[in-house]
Amino acid sequence: DAGITQSPRYKITETGRQVTLMCHQTWSHSYMFWYRQDLGHGLRLIYYSAAADITDKGEVPDGYVVSRSKTENFPLTLESATRSQTSVYFCASSDDGMNTEAFFGQGTRLTVV
Amino acid sequence: KQEVTQIPAALSVPEGENLVLNCSFTDSAIYNLQWFRQDPGKGLTSLLLIQSSQREQTSGRLNASLDKSSGRSTLYIAASQPGDSATYLCAVLMDSNYQLIWGAGTKLIIKP
Repeated sequence: DAGITQSPRYKITETGRQVTLMCHQTWSHSYMFWYRQDLGHGLRLIYYSAAADITDKGEVPDGYVVSRSKTENFPLTLESATRSQTSVYFCASSDDGMNTEAFFGQGTRLTVV
Repeated sequence: KQEVTQIPAALSVPEGENLVLNCSFTDSAIYNLQWFRQDPGKGLTSLLLIQSSQREQTSGRLNASLDKSSGRSTLYIAASQPGDSATYLCAVLMDSNYQLIWGAGTKLIIKP
């Protein structure tokens, strides 16, 4: 199926555990993004990638790690989860990052207990 | 630092009304502005993208305007329908780093 998919849709993890959120897109878009959405803050950019093997920090990168070995995948890892990382995480992709619209996955609701 | 504000935070109107959602931003050095729709439990859907050199964009019953100098954008929805009920988000793409800065959204409810 064409599109952008995130997995898992829901995740509960314990404080201190490592957790990886997956994102896969089928359009071969160059740009991919990770956002978190919290009440009262809107969406905030965590990391983005302009191409395979090129990643850069966004507004709130602390505590997160990304990689992009293949154009279609952009996993987000929380190395040692904290309660403050409880949030809804959205992955997005776009063709050129500027002039074209962004397409979003359905989100992953992560709860850290 | 760019700040994007959407007012009102929530809006409830009867079906059939025309309505306007507002978005304001503090830094006019933007590359473009986008309006998105978010349905509960789902991702975001892009509705309209306005380049900084444009004044408006239209798609069906939706019309978005941009006044870059005053830091304002409006999303006009004509003949509203219950299916338009969703949260509407605006986001500006910064000239300096090409990052999207988001408003908190307006939750719209259209009553049948």
